[in-house]
Amino acid sequence: KQEVTQIPAALSVPEGENLVLNCSFTDSAIYNLQWFRQDPGKGLTSLLLIQSSQREQTSGRLNASLDKSSGRSTLYIAASQPGDSATYLCAVNTDKLIFGTGTRLQVFP
Amino acid sequence: SQTIHQWPATLVQPVGSPLSLECTVEGTSNPNLYWYRQAAGRGLQLLFYSVGIGQISSEVPQNLSASRPQDRQFILSSKKLLLSDSGFYLCAWSVLVGGAFFGQGTRLTVV
Repeated sequence: KQEVTQIPAALSVPEGENLVLNCSFTDSAIYNLQWFRQDPGKGLTSLLLIQSSQREQTSGRLNASLDKSSGRSTLYIAASQPGDSATYLCAVNTDKLIFGTGTRLQVFP
Repeated sequence: SQTIHQWPATLVQPVGSPLSLECTVEGTSNPNLYWYRQAAGRGLQLLFYSVGIGQISSEVPQNLSASRPQDRQFILSSKKLLLSDSGFYLCAWSVLVGGAFFGQGTRLTVV
C-alpha cells in the first residue's frame, strides 16, 4: 500500500529565507508526482508536476526534484514571501492519487 | 482547456438527510475521477476513484457512495447523513501523464 509522508509538518520562517519541503513515498512504481498548494478553506492549486522519467521541474521561485528509486521528492522555495504562506501537499499518481499529510508554511514579514 | 465544476460550494444538512454532490469535467475524455474528504486541519482522504463509466473503487468503508453515470460526471451520495460526514469535499480529475486538477470544494456541515 502506497504511503506518502511529508516533513516537516509545519514551518514558520521570516521572509527571504530559502525553504526545503520534503515528501517521501513507499512504492516507487509511480507515473508522476505533483506538488500542490492549498490556502485555508480553498481547493488545491497545482504547482509542479514531475513525470517518473524526470528529475526536476522549475516554475519561478519553485523547484521540485524527484528521486524515484529512493522514494523522495523535494520542493525548494527560493526567497520566501508572506504570500507563500499556505499548506503544501505532494501527491503520487499510480492508478490513484495518494496525498501526503502536508506541510503548513507560514512566512512572516 | 480543461475545467472542473463542483457544486454547491457550501451545504448545511440535518442528520439523517440525503446528500448529493456533483462534479463535472470539461475539455477531456476518459479522465480518472476522484472524491476526497478533508476534515478540519487534516490531510486529504481518498474516498472513491473511478477509471471509467460505472467503475467505482471505494477506499474506506463509510456512509457514502459514488456513481459515474457519464464519462465526465462524478456524483457523491449518501442516503442518511451522519455528524461525522461533515468536512470539506473535493473532486478531482487526472490523466496519467497530465497531472491532477481540483474543483473548488464543497464545505458540508451536518447539524
